[in-house]
Amino acid sequence: SAVISQKPSRDICQRGTSLTIQCQVDSQVTMMFWYRQQPGQSLTLIATANQGSEATYESGFVIDKFPISRPNLTFSTLTVSNMSPEDSSIYLCSVERMVYSNTEAFFGQGTRLTVV
Amino acid sequence: DAKTTQPNSMESNEEEPVHLPCNHSTISGTDYIHWYRQLPSQGPEYVIHGLTSNVNNRMASLAIAEDRKSSTLILHRATLRDAAVYYCILRDGGSQGNLIFGKGTKLSVKP
Repeated sequence: SAVISQKPSRDICQRGTSLTIQCQVDSQVTMMFWYRQQPGQSLTLIATANQGSEATYESGFVIDKFPISRPNLTFSTLTVSNMSPEDSSIYLCSVERMVYSNTEAFFGQGTRLTVV
Repeated sequence: DAKTTQPNSMESNEEEPVHLPCNHSTISGTDYIHWYRQLPSQGPEYVIHGLTSNVNNRMASLAIAEDRKSSTLILHRATLRDAAVYYCILRDGGSQGNLIFGKGTKLSVKP
């Protein structure tokens, strides 16, 4: 298994400000993934973060809005920049590990962001 | 990755079996069928996966149709803690990343 800690667990932010979410994994992983879950919706992948290279963003997400850092193999941050109420969502960090020859995904508890 | 179709919601009584269906008519030969669930206020967690044969683990069973165009997640005795959104996801056997989550099935369990 993988233990993933996300901080903060929740926050209420003013529009126009930025919030940085931290994700710490209990052991080294090559790729870390950031997802967004809008209210009442399913999860959507924002980007994949590899250590030592720029993150790869999915369609509809850009680096200026969601800058990502990956300074080492156990840690990553996602920043939600210049926030608007539409950014109110749960943001989740995820990693994958081989478990009995299956690639299994593990998720943090998520960061519940409310923008007012 | 191929698309899956699940009912939006299902209800079950506590201690009774639950059969959660998933249709995946465009599944390819190398796609594995994965099930994840998301308990309230938590991130998703792995439940079970399979390729062709039925699978059992401590959480659930997975029944896969012979043509692989559909599958059913079976919870043998639902408990209140099984109330969650259940996601059926197809993933190529060699791939990593980018789990494509559909809307899933919201399971309610009545005492």
